[in-house]
This record gives sequence, structure tokens and C-alpha cells, in this order.
Amino acid sequence: GAGVSQSPSNKVTEKGKDVELRCDPISGHTALYWYRQSLGQGLEFLIYFQGNSAPDKSGLPSDRFSAERTGGSVSTLTIQRTQQEDSAVYLCASSLDFTGQETQYFGPGTRLLVL
Amino acid sequence: GENVEQHPSTLSVQEGDSAVIKCTYSDSASNYFPWYKQELGKGPQLIIDIRSNVGEKKDQRIAVTLNKTAKHFSLHITETQPEDSAVYFCAASIFGGGADGLTFGKGTHLIIQP
Repeated sequence: GAGVSQSPSNKVTEKGKDVELRCDPISGHTALYWYRQSLGQGLEFLIYFQGNSAPDKSGLPSDRFSAERTGGSVSTLTIQRTQQEDSAVYLCASSLDFTGQETQYFGPGTRLLVL
Repeated sequence: GENVEQHPSTLSVQEGDSAVIKCTYSDSASNYFPWYKQELGKGPQLIIDIRSNVGEKKDQRIAVTLNKTAKHFSLHITETQPEDSAVYFCAASIFGGGADGLTFGKGTHLIIQP
């Protein structure tokens, strides 16, 4: 079946602009996660959705970052007033549910470059 | 919160030899430890995982061991092949996700020399 998809695959933007990153999870997966991968670094957990709800937003790097999920499916990560330090690969993952030790399946990521 | 250390950062082995990557974690409550393989330009792919109720798990050429007392776990790849070249990440979590997500190590770049 189809895996996790993300769009766009690459995004180049100017400092100060807003960007929207989209994630389509595997059909039927109720849990959705956003991570950020900076050059040469591991993956940094940002936020998790349980259905359409994000119980804890403290992992978001700043108040310029926001995320939402609608219909228990598609999620959007929005970065307002982008800064050069926001340049990274943004990865989305989904899992069947959030109640146990469920495998997280990752999408290919969106490579964001802020000039 | 959880902290995961991964070593080495780069590992070069001859094709056919074994490779071992080691990780340590800080939170004794962590109970789920997946390993991901990431190829250039792609997202991480799960290759094996282990839960805290077992000490070892094997899948063909790949095995993972867990020492809960010492809070470390290792990935073992035997009979390495060129297609094993990639970046490998270990991770740990308490519930396998949920509000804490997965905490990842910084990755090991595995190079298989022909």
C-alpha cells in the first residue's frame, strides 16, 4: 500500500516568508509525528497528533511553528517568518495508533532551505 | 527527558565483515528501541526493533541486543554487503511514541568497502 507522503519534496524560501509543509499519513494510521533533521544531526521530535489533537506542543522550536491535522488524516506544519536556522529536513511519520509500541513509518521528508 | 548517545559516528568495514553500532540511553523507563536505516535523500526506514522484555532479537543478517541494567543496546550486521551502506539511527522511547515521540541518536554513517 501507499506509504507516508510529504509535499513539497524541496522548498527554497526567503528569510521572513511563511511556509507550509504537508504530510499525508498511511491510511488508517491514527498517530502522526513531525520531526526535524538538521545537517549532520539526528532527528528532533517536534509534535505528535492523536487523531486531530496535539496533546503537547512544547517540542515546537518557537512560536513561529504551528501544526494542525484535519479529518484524522492530512497534517500541515507551518513556519511563519522563516529564519535561516529553520533550514533542515522536516520528516513526518505515522503509526497505527499511539497506545503501544507501534512502528513509526517515515515519509521522504521536505528539504527546506531559507536564504 | 531521554538522551541517546550513539557510537561510532562513522564506521568503515570490508564487505563480508561484521559491523556493530552501539547506543546508550539515560531514562530507565524507556522500553522500546528501534533502529532505522536512512539512505541519501530518503526518509528513515525501520530495520529492526526490540522491546525491553527481551534481550536479543535477530532477523537474517541483522540482530539487536539490549542490556537494560547498563542501559545500552547494539545493532549487529553480519556478512555486510554494499547495499548496507547508509546512515543508521538508534532511538528510544517509553511508549514507542505518543507525547514523547522517539529520541534518536545522532547516527552512524556505515561505509562498506568493496
